[in-house]
Amino acid sequence: NAGVTQTPKFQVLKTGQSMTLQCAQDMNHEYMSWYRQDPGMGLRLIHYSVGAGITDQGEVPNGYNVSRSTTEDFPLRLLSAAPSQTSVYFCATVGGATRYEQFFGPGTRLTVL
Amino acid sequence: GDSVTQMEGPVTLSEEAFLTINCTYTATGYPSLFWYVQYPGEGLQLLLKATKADDKGSNKGFEATYRKETTSFHLEKGSVQVSDSAVYFCALSDQSNTGKLIFGQGTTLQVKP
Repeated sequence: NAGVTQTPKFQVLKTGQSMTLQCAQDMNHEYMSWYRQDPGMGLRLIHYSVGAGITDQGEVPNGYNVSRSTTEDFPLRLLSAAPSQTSVYFCATVGGATRYEQFFGPGTRLTVL
Repeated sequence: GDSVTQMEGPVTLSEEAFLTINCTYTATGYPSLFWYVQYPGEGLQLLLKATKADDKGSNKGFEATYRKETTSFHLEKGSVQVSDSAVYFCALSDQSNTGKLIFGQGTTLQVKP
């Protein structure tokens, strides 16, 4: 099992460009989330999904879109990149016996110039 | 809303020293509590968890006890190693069953030989 995979690992964008961060999981977990990690601020929830076809906003959703057409995939779209979106992005799924353990992908480091 | 507060870092210790990283939380109801660890260049990994008051989570020599009366979940280890150098995140999961986690800001631990 690959677990949670994210692509790309690194990306540099210019202000105003759009892109999609990919996240895929092979654990058949219902719940998936996107977080951003910024120095001194921990991880903040951007969007999450409780199952295919269902998404909702987290703490910092502005500037990002998501969709969940399959259980396996949960892409994060930046519509018009801004320097404030420079961050490390983590995708996570929820599973395990307690249904609360989160499994994180390796992250995507995004720089917006 | 729910929140998690961790002690500021970085924490610098010598090998074999005793470690405490403080974590307090604010939440309604009965959240589950977690410690995650992030090694350099990697995603987050679950270190330990506790799902109800007075539970003690433990793993790899680390321990934390869910104290509802003081709303705390302090991380401790009796003898740290250089390999424990990482960023440690305290987090809570509410009872909404959406898989959302609320993180503290993270505490960097540096262990010197």
